[in-house]
Amino acid sequence: DSGVTQTPKHLITATGQRVTLRCSPRSGDLSVYWYQQSLDQGLQFLIQYYNGEERAKGNILERFSAQQFPDLHSELNLSSLELGDSALYFCASSGGGTSAKNIQYFGAGTRLSVL
Amino acid sequence: DQQVKQNSPSLSVQEGRISILNCDYTNSMFDYFLWYKKYPAEGPTFLISISSIKDKNEDGRFTVFLNKSAKHLSLHIVPSQPGDSAVYFCAAGGNEKLTFGTGTRLTIIP
Repeated sequence: DSGVTQTPKHLITATGQRVTLRCSPRSGDLSVYWYQQSLDQGLQFLIQYYNGEERAKGNILERFSAQQFPDLHSELNLSSLELGDSALYFCASSGGGTSAKNIQYFGAGTRLSVL
Repeated sequence: DQQVKQNSPSLSVQEGRISILNCDYTNSMFDYFLWYKKYPAEGPTFLISISSIKDKNEDGRFTVFLNKSAKHLSLHIVPSQPGDSAVYFCAAGGNEKLTFGTGTRLTIIP
C-alpha cells in the first residue's frame, strides 16, 4: 500500500459529460501529481501541485483542470469528455518539490471509460 | 517527441536467469533516473534510482547501470523470480517533471 488513495476506482460516463477524480496523498506529502496512461502509452504527466499551488504543467488539455485543497487532497476535473479521454488516471505524491529526486508514490489509479 | 524510450514492449526470461531491461533517453539535462514496477490493477511502485554522478546502483537483486555518453540505462534483475513478472517503466528527470517511458512487460517463465 503506497498510502496514496484514489477514488473512484472505475468511472463510466458518456461523451460530453464532466467527471471529478479525487486523490488523497500520503500523510505529510505536499506535492501531488496527475498522470494519464492511455492504451500502450507511458505515463503522461498532466500537472503538479505543491502545498496548494500549481508547480508544473505538462500536456494537460484545456478541458482538464485540477486543484489542491488546504487539506492537501487534490481533484482532477475532466469536462466535455471525448472518447479519447478514456484512460487510466494516476495520482502520485511526494514530500518535496518538482525535482526528480523526490520519489513519487502512486495510487492505484482511476480507470475512466467514456462511451 | 519521446524523450525516454523503452524499445522492447515485452521480454520473457527463464526463472533464475538474468533479466535486462533497457531504456534510452535524449535529453542531456536529465540528471536523475528511476525504475518503477507496475502490477495489474495497481499503481507503479518505485524500485530503484540512480543519479547522473554515478554509473551503477545496486539494491539486492536489482542493479541499475547508467551510461551517460550513450544516454542509456539498464535494469538488471538477478536471479529473476516469478514475482518479478510486471511492467517496468523507466523515468528520467532533473529539476522539472519526470518523463516516463512506455514500459516493458517482463514475464518470468517458471
